[in-house]
Amino acid sequence: QVQLVQSGAEVKKPGSSVKVSCKASGGTFSSYTISWVRQAPGQGLEWMGRIIPILGIANYAQKFQGRVTITADKSTSTAYMELSSLRSEDTAVYYCARGSTVVTDVRIFDYWGQGTLVTVSS
Amino acid sequence: QSALTQPRSVSGSPGQSVTISCTGTSSDVGGYNYVSWYQQHPGKAPKLMIYDVSKRPSGVPDRFSGSKSGNTASLTISGLQAEDEADYYCCSYAGSYTLVVFGGGTKLTVL
Repeated sequence: QVQLVQSGAEVKKPGSSVKVSCKASGGTFSSYTISWVRQAPGQGLEWMGRIIPILGIANYAQKFQGRVTITADKSTSTAYMELSSLRSEDTAVYYCARGSTVVTDVRIFDYWGQGTLVTVSS
Repeated sequence: QSALTQPRSVSGSPGQSVTISCTGTSSDVGGYNYVSWYQQHPGKAPKLMIYDVSKRPSGVPDRFSGSKSGNTASLTISGLQAEDEADYYCCSYAGSYTLVVFGGGTKLTVL
């Protein structure tokens, strides 16, 4: 069955960067997209961006443009999200989510990773 | 402030029905039949409950249904059960530039 397994929790200093991974198993990595969605403590879901692994094309929410980079390694079926210039407001759980097909893309997030807590603190 | 507006909380007794609304604009909810709903229990990842306004993924009980009128989408849960108590988020496709927007979430309490 499809699984998305994310890397472990991180504690970062303000101004630094964090890179979170999301390894997919089950299904064909090139047949779907991977989005990143974050959730600050006690808050709602916020879409950050997504990558189409077969094309290597990434798109980002305007709020995160210039600060986030999403990449994918087809050889290991792993997607990455790197967020730079971290500030305390970036403390959140970061989820990867599979867009069920390249066509349906962000319309349907059918599988989610377990989440990675990123804490930004001095 | 989220792009889509949901009530912060709703409640109902077991066996009753509740409806959660999700209001957007003609650029998202009203412009496309691509609204999805996600259920999230505390400390867990979201789970897809409804997609394309009213379609249910395999395994989701038919007690969950979705609809849309104009710029407002709705999720209705009938025959409420204790395990339905969770946060619910709507999500809409928003065009090729913005791509996707979420609602702020609604906490469902089963009394």
